[in-house]
Amino acid sequence: EVQLVESGGGLVQPGGSLRLSCAASGFTFKDYWMSWVRQAPGKGLEWVANTKQDGSEQYSVDSVKGRFTISRDNANNSLFLQMNSLRAEDTAVYYCARDVTNWGSLYYFDQWGQGTLVTVSS
Amino acid sequence: DIQMTQSPSTLSASVGDRVTITCRASQSIAGWLAWYQQRPGKAPNLLIYKASSLESGVPSRFSGSGSGTEFTLTISSLQPDDFATYYCQQYSSFSRSFGQGTKVEIK
Repeated sequence: EVQLVESGGGLVQPGGSLRLSCAASGFTFKDYWMSWVRQAPGKGLEWVANTKQDGSEQYSVDSVKGRFTISRDNANNSLFLQMNSLRAEDTAVYYCARDVTNWGSLYYFDQWGQGTLVTVSS
Repeated sequence: DIQMTQSPSTLSASVGDRVTITCRASQSIAGWLAWYQQRPGKAPNLLIYKASSLESGVPSRFSGSGSGTEFTLTISSLQPDDFATYYCQQYSSFSRSFGQGTKVEIK
């Protein structure tokens, strides 16, 4: 059974940092692109960042560029999101999600974790 | 960036009703569209991909159609478990985007 378990969320002050983790199991982690997708309270879904199977490529939405860094540890089946210079508008549930791809094209997300809440507030 | 617009934002229906949700793209995305269901407090769950392909394990009362810029998700006979929020997502462009969601409520 595929499992994605996020951790690391919490309350942080504006300008602060937080590191999210996602522990993967039940599939060959190193074979998949992986993403972070967030959902602000009462709002819709927003793709945040993703990383290639071997970690050699990373991409992110413009609103987090230069502040968030996605990384992975294939030896330990883990995905990370380092979030710096946090803003109130980054408040959201952050989901770890498995990408479905085909010939290098990124498609949809077929497995999701339960999410971890990040609250940015003074 | 491709904008995705769903309608309606909220839909009230009864168990057994046939329900249709529409998703429109700001430009053609061919058939590169997925649908997700999200129950309150839970993660999204993939229902449909490539506009009309049913994900394994998803009940056959769910179906998807459309191409280009207009797509629909249909639930043929609404069940109690189906009261949730539904999102479409395009993957035609590298910057994948979601619709704002359609909440299906009990009438």
